[in-house]
Amino acid sequence: GENVEQHPSTLSVQEGDSAVIKCTYSDSASNYFPWYKQELGKRPQLIIDIRSNVGEKKDQRIAVTLNKTAKHFSLHITETQPEDSAVYFCAAAESNTGKLIFGQGTTLQVKP
Amino acid sequence: DAGVTQSPTHLIKTRGQQVTLRCSPKSGHDTVSWYQQALGQGPQFIFQYYEEEERQRGNFPDRFSGHQFPNYSSELNVNALLLGDSALYLCASSPLGGRKETQYFGPGTRLLVL
Repeated sequence: GENVEQHPSTLSVQEGDSAVIKCTYSDSASNYFPWYKQELGKRPQLIIDIRSNVGEKKDQRIAVTLNKTAKHFSLHITETQPEDSAVYFCAAAESNTGKLIFGQGTTLQVKP
Repeated sequence: DAGVTQSPTHLIKTRGQQVTLRCSPKSGHDTVSWYQQALGQGPQFIFQYYEEEERQRGNFPDRFSGHQFPNYSSELNVNALLLGDSALYLCASSPLGGRKETQYFGPGTRLLVL
């Protein structure tokens, strides 16, 4: 069935370093890939998304890349700050179905 | 502009009981999706409602049912509660006329089944 694998499960970086989180999906019909940030006790917050007609998308310090052939997509955070510390989830969906399949999450810790 | 709201915030039930959770979508949104998030896991899709009908369903038993009202708000009902139903229940809404996969989450209802 549909599956999204996310790695690593935990990631610790020094403030100012970059962080990369990778996801792999199984359903070749997937063409929408959002990333959510969830701070402790808070709601998942949509931080960036990409559709399969685009290979890369940037928003300030955050970027997402997509390799549809390999069914891989990644989140890149540059110049990390302590407030970037949270759990990050990737997800995949077939366009306009609304059924998001989530990865298991990555706990990012940014050390000051 | 209020975001997605959910009630109650926390709930404690015992095995075998029934529970109803509520969700109000963001203004301008007409589609509501429900997810179950177990501790330390990613959200799992339960079902999605728009135009007052269930449109998509994940791999959840019939004990999980829902409803959508004409004002787009939604309820999630769980019957015959099991210990394993303890989780954070999230609803997400999508914009009217927009893409259903673009979803904004509410704060969730934390359900504990004893």
